[in-house]
Formats: sequence, structure tokens, C-alpha cells
Amino acid sequence: GENVEQHPSTLSVQEGDSAVIKCTYSDSASNYFPWYKQELGKRPQLIIDIRSNVGEKKDQRIAVTLNKTAKHFSLHITETQPEDSAVYFCAASRGNQFYFGTGTSLTVIP
Amino acid sequence: EAQVTQNPRYLITVTGKKLTVTCSQNMNHEYMSWYRQDPGLGLRQIYYSMNVEVTDKGDVPEGYKVSRKEKRNFPLILESPSPNQTSLYFCASSFAPYNEQFFGPGTRLTVL
Repeated sequence: GENVEQHPSTLSVQEGDSAVIKCTYSDSASNYFPWYKQELGKRPQLIIDIRSNVGEKKDQRIAVTLNKTAKHFSLHITETQPEDSAVYFCAASRGNQFYFGTGTSLTVIP
Repeated sequence: EAQVTQNPRYLITVTGKKLTVTCSQNMNHEYMSWYRQDPGLGLRQIYYSMNVEVTDKGDVPEGYKVSRKEKRNFPLILESPSPNQTSLYFCASSFAPYNEQFFGPGTRLTVL
């Protein structure tokens, strides 16, 4: 099956700085890559997603890039704010199955 | 209000005692899925369903059953729970696999 690796597992940044989280996947057939944010004690919520026919997608301070050749995709958060502090999960999907990374705990220091 | 609900939210049980965790959505979603979340392992998909009477195994289906008799409901059944099934369980739904999945509030299960 698919194997999704996510790095780093923890990340601390100063408020206003950028944060980057990287994921790699193993199955070249994977073609949908969502990112979820999970605040402490809450349910995961989708923040951005990208399909394999697109190389980059941006939504305000959040962007995702996809390199199909290298089989990796990244989440970029600019101008970080304290409310960005959460655990972020990447995922890869082929067909109807989803494979998640192990999560990155992001702390934004005011 | 559009939502995914799960019941119970918390459950402590003993090894071997059958249990069911219910999941219901009111958004007319076709795709529903169950995940378990464990520290350091992220979310792992247990089962998913593309539509009524259509279910399939995810990455970690052993020890679980599901059914999809109605579009809105997707219960997770543990016929003989074991301590290694102690986990936080999430149900999720979406119009299609490639659309935003909406997660339920989670069910924290402890099997003694």
C-alpha cells in the first residue's frame, strides 16, 4: 500500500515567520493530496487540497506545492499567527483510500 | 446545521464485549469513512463506503465491521474488542473521495 512520511514532527516558529511542512509518498498512482488541521481536542478540518494535475495551489496565507516526479508535496504557511498553532496532517489518496502522515505539531510563538 | 455526529463520545468497555459506534451525517454525502487516531501514528483508515451497500476495507480493517444500509448512517462494529483497539475514532463524510471530508467529533474508546 501507500506510505506517507511527514516531516518535521514538531515545528516552532515566531509569529509572522513562515512554516513549511513536507510529505513524501510512495505510490505514483496517488492523485489527491489534502491537508488537515487539528486543534487540541478537536476534529481534523481540511485547510487546503491539491490534485495531481496541479503543481501549486494557494489560499490566502496557505499554499501547497506538489512535485509528482519526486513524489513529495509541501504545506507553506506565511505570516504565521498564534491561531495557526495545531497539528497538521498531510494525506495521499489513490482511488477511494486515504493514507495520512503522522502529523506535525506547529507552535507559533507570539 | 450540516454535521457529522457520532455516539457515544466516550466509551470504556472490557475485552470481548461487542460494541457499536454510530455515525450519522445530514449532508446527503455518498462517501463515508472510519479512521482511528493513535499517538505517533496519525490517522489510519479502517473502512470506507462509496454508497449504500457498498463498503470496502481501508488500511487497518482487522477486528472491525461496518454496514451501510442507509445513506446517512455508517456504524462501526467491534464484535470482540481487544485492548489494542483502544483509540480515538473518527467518522468522516464527503460527496466524493476527492471532496472535503467532514469529520465527526470523535469517539474515545478504551478497552480494558
